[in-house]
Amino acid sequence: DVKVTQSSRYLVKRTGEKVFLECVQDMDHENMFWYRQDPGLGLRLIYFSYDVKMKEKGDIPEGYSVSREKKERFSLILESASTNQTSMYLCASSSIPQGKGYTFGSGTRLTVV
Amino acid sequence: GEDVEQSLFLSVREGDSSVINCTYTDSSSTYLYWYKQEPGAGLQLLTYIFSNMDMKQDQRLTVLLNKKDKHLSLRIADTQTGDSAIYFCADLYGGATNKLIFGTGTLLAVQP
Repeated sequence: DVKVTQSSRYLVKRTGEKVFLECVQDMDHENMFWYRQDPGLGLRLIYFSYDVKMKEKGDIPEGYSVSREKKERFSLILESASTNQTSMYLCASSSIPQGKGYTFGSGTRLTVV
Repeated sequence: GEDVEQSLFLSVREGDSSVINCTYTDSSSTYLYWYKQEPGAGLQLLTYIFSNMDMKQDQRLTVLLNKKDKHLSLRIADTQTGDSAIYFCADLYGGATNKLIFGTGTLLAVQP
């Protein structure tokens, strides 16, 4: 069964910490995405990547960076975590062409205290 | 930028049909999707429709697309309590970035 795996389901971090959220897919997909999900706001795109070492800003990139050193792995980095980054983070991947949509991971619920 | 809108909440009784509606603004849309999110989980692809189709049926699910009005709907026949979830409509934006634009999600509550 094809999968997108996010390394943690729940994380609690302190304000100012550097936080790494990891995502791995086993489908050889070219595209990978990071979203955050907040009540009433739906899914908002943070960053995405079309290929190894490539990255593009999404709608809300401020306070985040990403890394894609290998095709199967896409990491989201919170350089200095803040309380307003408390959220559910969802990773997704897709192939080209994208007719079949995205495959999502189970999500990481991050709480910054 | 392009936008996708959905109502936030729908309540139905078990056994009834549910209809979840979505409107979008993208004139270059190629595919439109419905995703389901159960509590505490990621999003699961339910179904999708190509933009040159009007309707797609898959067991209890019927998707209707009115491209002129940019309106998409998902009908769930014989709704069960296990259908209680958040349903997201998404548009594969036809622009250069080729990314999905999601609605805010509709919470479907099924009453026994």
